[in-house]
Amino acid sequence: GESVGLHLPTLSVQEGDNSIINCAYSNSASDYFIWYKQESGKGPQFIIDIRSNMDKRQGQRVTVLLNKTVKHLSLQIAATQPGDSAVYFCAERGSGSRLTFGEGTQLTVNP
Amino acid sequence: NAGVTQTPKFQVLKTGQSMTLQCAQDMNHEYMSWYRQDPGMGLRLIHYSVGAGITDQGEVPNGYNVSRSTTEDFPLRLLSAAPSQTSVYFCASSYSSRANEKLFFGSGTQLSVL
Repeated sequence: GESVGLHLPTLSVQEGDNSIINCAYSNSASDYFIWYKQESGKGPQFIIDIRSNMDKRQGQRVTVLLNKTVKHLSLQIAATQPGDSAVYFCAERGSGSRLTFGEGTQLTVNP
Repeated sequence: NAGVTQTPKFQVLKTGQSMTLQCAQDMNHEYMSWYRQDPGMGLRLIHYSVGAGITDQGEVPNGYNVSRSTTEDFPLRLLSAAPSQTSVYFCASSYSSRANEKLFFGSGTQLSVL
């Protein structure tokens, strides 16, 4: 079946550094991917999305890269700030147009 | 805009009790859904609705009922709560029922069943 997973359950970075959060997916037919940020005690917040016909998409301080050859998705956060500390997880849309969510990576930004 | 509003934020139930988790959105979204979030398992879809009067089961529907009488509201009912339903519940909505993209989430309800 479909599965979405994250390579690293935790990531610790220094304030001002760039962060890279990775996500592997198994369904080669998935046509849409999305990243969410979830702060403690809050609901997931949309960050950025990308369709399978794209390799890269940029937002404000964030970039998502999609490598369909190895079924890998990454989220890059530039100049990471303390407010970026949260759990980040990806989701893929596969068969049946359902979103399948990964478990998440805890990003900690050290001042 | 309030977005997606969930109530209550916290709830403690005894086994066998019933309750309704409320969800309302003010974005005129067609698609609404309920997820549960458990440690190490990611978000799992319970039920969803592609429009008023239409509901369908998700990945983990057992023990839960839903209805969609209006575009704005999508309540989740637990008829007889069980400890296995202890979880954090999120309501989410999307502008398009076909696309299932850019889900907007509520702030969640933390439910404990004793």
